[in-house]
Amino acid sequence: GAVVSQHPSWVICKSGTSVKIECRSLDFQATTMFWYRQFPKQSLMLMATSNEGSKATYEQGVEKDKFLINHASLTLSTLTVTSAHPEDSSFYICSANSVLSSYEQYFGPGTRLTVT
Amino acid sequence: RKEVEQDPGPFNVPEGATVAFNCTYSNSASQSFFWYRQDCRKEPKLLMSVYSSGNEDGRFTAQLNRASQYISLLIRDSKLSDSATYLCVVNPRGTVTGGGNKLTFGTGTQLKVEL
Repeated sequence: GAVVSQHPSWVICKSGTSVKIECRSLDFQATTMFWYRQFPKQSLMLMATSNEGSKATYEQGVEKDKFLINHASLTLSTLTVTSAHPEDSSFYICSANSVLSSYEQYFGPGTRLTVT
Repeated sequence: RKEVEQDPGPFNVPEGATVAFNCTYSNSASQSFFWYRQDCRKEPKLLMSVYSSGNEDGRFTAQLNRASQYISLLIRDSKLSDSATYLCVVNPRGTVTGGGNKLTFGTGTQLKVEL
């Protein structure tokens, strides 16, 4: 099956620093990648949709200057949380659509970010 | 009104029980529906797609009622390993576009299967 990896699995950083999270499709090419955030006991909330070679589309309420998304190739998208604050602590999950199957999304294992 | 609504539970059931979860969605134009399973501190994993005709996969049966905008998941002969949060997921856009498919997640229903 299709595999999506995320790195790092977890990260602890100090307030004010920036953190980059990578999302890779390992055995397929992803036309579109999605970034979600999940707070404890809450649903996954879509943050942005990212297409290779173009600017990401952010959901309402998500600051594009704070959450920088780069989708440089069909297998890699990155999310950078800039000037992180404790309220940014969350579980960040990416997913990808395959160029071969538009309906199914394959999820990465998630990155747990803790900002102290 | 939330786009996708689920009873959060938790539902505590004995092993071997049959349990059903329900979900309602607000966008009548939605075309794609799914049930995902999420274990604690893990990513969601696709359990099954939901079709109008209803579909079954082993102990799991999913039903869709478009008129009522209602989706259900039935788990028969529940196992301890079924303990997880079950997420009702809808593609509100309905059709494939160049931007891919955005999914809307319900908050999930927590199931605990006990001895």
